[in-house]
Amino acid sequence: DAGITQSPRHKVTETGTPVTLRCHQTENHRYMYWYRQDPGHGLRLIHYSYGVKDTDKGEVSDGYSVSRSKTEDFLLTLESATSSQTSVYFCASADTGELFFGEGSRLTVL
Amino acid sequence: DQQVKQNSPSLSVQEGRISILNCDYTNSMFDYFLWYKKYPAEGPTFLISISSIKDKNEDGRFTVFLNKSAKHLSLHIVPSQPGDSAVYFCAARVSGTYKYIFGTGTRLKVLA
Repeated sequence: DAGITQSPRHKVTETGTPVTLRCHQTENHRYMYWYRQDPGHGLRLIHYSYGVKDTDKGEVSDGYSVSRSKTEDFLLTLESATSSQTSVYFCASADTGELFFGEGSRLTVL
Repeated sequence: DQQVKQNSPSLSVQEGRISILNCDYTNSMFDYFLWYKKYPAEGPTFLISISSIKDKNEDGRFTVFLNKSAKHLSLHIVPSQPGDSAVYFCAARVSGTYKYIFGTGTRLKVLA
């Protein structure tokens, strides 16, 4: 399995505060992704990256920004968290085929 | 608008029988399809994939079928085992990109 770690694994925050989730991969994969998982919606793509400093929007990008300054790191930022952003967030990376996922970060926005 | 759909939220199958999970897609601009399995509190793990130029791919107990004219993908698990109980997601890659769209998932329960 690809070495993908997410931090923090659990976070509780209040509405209006900024939150950053970090994803770190050790496989030198070119592509990295952020998804959120919600009941009834499955996994929805937030943003993805196809190289250092190269990112693109996914299906549900509003309220989220990302940055990738190094191949191994992909950050997801919620500038001002809202209750609708309470979710489980998964990071993934890929080389030429399948995605490899991290274990998820559970975010609760009160 | 969900481009990749899994219309059955759940499925129960007896141990030893065949499990068939289905997925429909609405966009012809997908070139690669995948199935993932997810246990609670874990990340999804890759199961099997198929290119859009093929109609079948097999790996042990898992077989994926692709019907391009019907825009339909299915995963067959034979024989089903209790350890197969999990949520299964299908995914599709947008042609010419590395953007992957996932379905809503089907919860499979294999009864012993």
